[in-house]
This record gives sequence, structure tokens and C-alpha cells, in this order.
Amino acid sequence: KQEVTQIPAALSVPEGENLVLNCSFTDSAIYNLQWFRQDPGKGLTSLLLIQSSQREQTSGRLNASLDKSSGRSTLYIAASQPGDSATYLCAPGDYGQNFVFGPGTRLSVLP
Amino acid sequence: SQTIHQWPATLVQPVGSPLSLECTVEGTSNPNLYWYRQAAGRGLQLLFYSVGIGQISSEVPQNLSASRPQDRQFILSSKKLLLSDSGFYLCAWRRRDRNTEAFFGQGTRLTVV
Repeated sequence: KQEVTQIPAALSVPEGENLVLNCSFTDSAIYNLQWFRQDPGKGLTSLLLIQSSQREQTSGRLNASLDKSSGRSTLYIAASQPGDSATYLCAPGDYGQNFVFGPGTRLSVLP
Repeated sequence: SQTIHQWPATLVQPVGSPLSLECTVEGTSNPNLYWYRQAAGRGLQLLFYSVGIGQISSEVPQNLSASRPQDRQFILSSKKLLLSDSGFYLCAWRRRDRNTEAFFGQGTRLTVV
């Protein structure tokens, strides 16, 4: 059974800092991995999808990497802004039709 | 473009009452559909997923059931709610091709009193 952990659980930084959020998963037989953000009381917004054959995926100030063999993914946020404050979730997708979520990293970017 | 609708946004129901949450997707066909629950202070738990009309897979035995009466409609139901059914319920969809992103609705906040 896939288990996903995310470190740190919470993070508070001043505006402008570069950040790294970590995701680990126990079963490396994944098809892809998706990163989401969730604002309080809201649904999930997709940020990036990395295929298992890819090492990196970039979207604007976000860069996600995937090391499938070691069961790790990182989300890099450059030049953080207060609007980046949210909970960030990673979800590896298996070869079936499902994906399992980590508990999330709660990010606060202070102005 | 594709959109996903979930309603109601909030719901307060007494213990023992029935439940029906609806999710619809527009702008695509034959999507995979999912129901997740997010309990307070806990992660997202997959409840049900469906790869086609009438095809439902349950991940967690519980007081809930799901149905897919139409291609782009996914319904979460309960005959008698329990206090433990309280939580934030999220519907999601993804194209049948596994190499695509999943997209989520805005969720339903259910409080059972």
C-alpha cells in the first residue's frame, strides 16, 4: 500500500525566499506524480504533473523534480510571495486509476 | 474547456438523516471520477472511484455509497448519516489516459449534528 509523507509539515518564511517542499513515497511503481495547492476551505488546484519518465517539470516560479527510484519528489518555489500561502499536497499516481495524497505542507509567506 | 461542479457548498444534517452530494463534469466525455473525504486535521482519503457508468469501486468500507447514473455525473449518498461522516468532500475527474492531471471541485463541507 502506497504511503506518502511530506516534510516539513508547516513552514513560515518572509517574502522573497526560495523554498523547497519535500514529498516521499514508499512504492516506487508510480505512473506519475502531481502537486496541488489547497487554500483554506477550498478545493485543490493542480500545479504540476510529472510523468514517471521525467526528472523535472516547470511552471512559472515552480519547479518539481522526481526521483522515482528513491521515492522522492521536491517542489521548488522561487521568490515566494504572500499569495503562495496555502497547503501544498503531493499525490503519486499508481498504474491503476488512483493516486494517494500526502498530508501536505502548510506554507505561510509573510509580507 | 472542462469544468467540474459540486453542490451544495455547505450542508448541516442531523444524525440519521440521508445524504446526497452531486458532482458533474462538463466539456469532456468518459472521465474517471473520484470522491475524496478530508476530515479535520487529516489528509485526503479516497472513498470511491468510477471508470464508467455504473462502475463503482470502493476503497474504504463505510456508511457511504456512490453511483454514476450518467457519464459525467457522480453521486455520493448515505441512508443514515453518522457523526463521523462530517468532513470536507471533494469530487475529482481525470481523463481516461493516466498521463493527465486530475482536477477537483470546490468541495462540500458536511457537518453532521
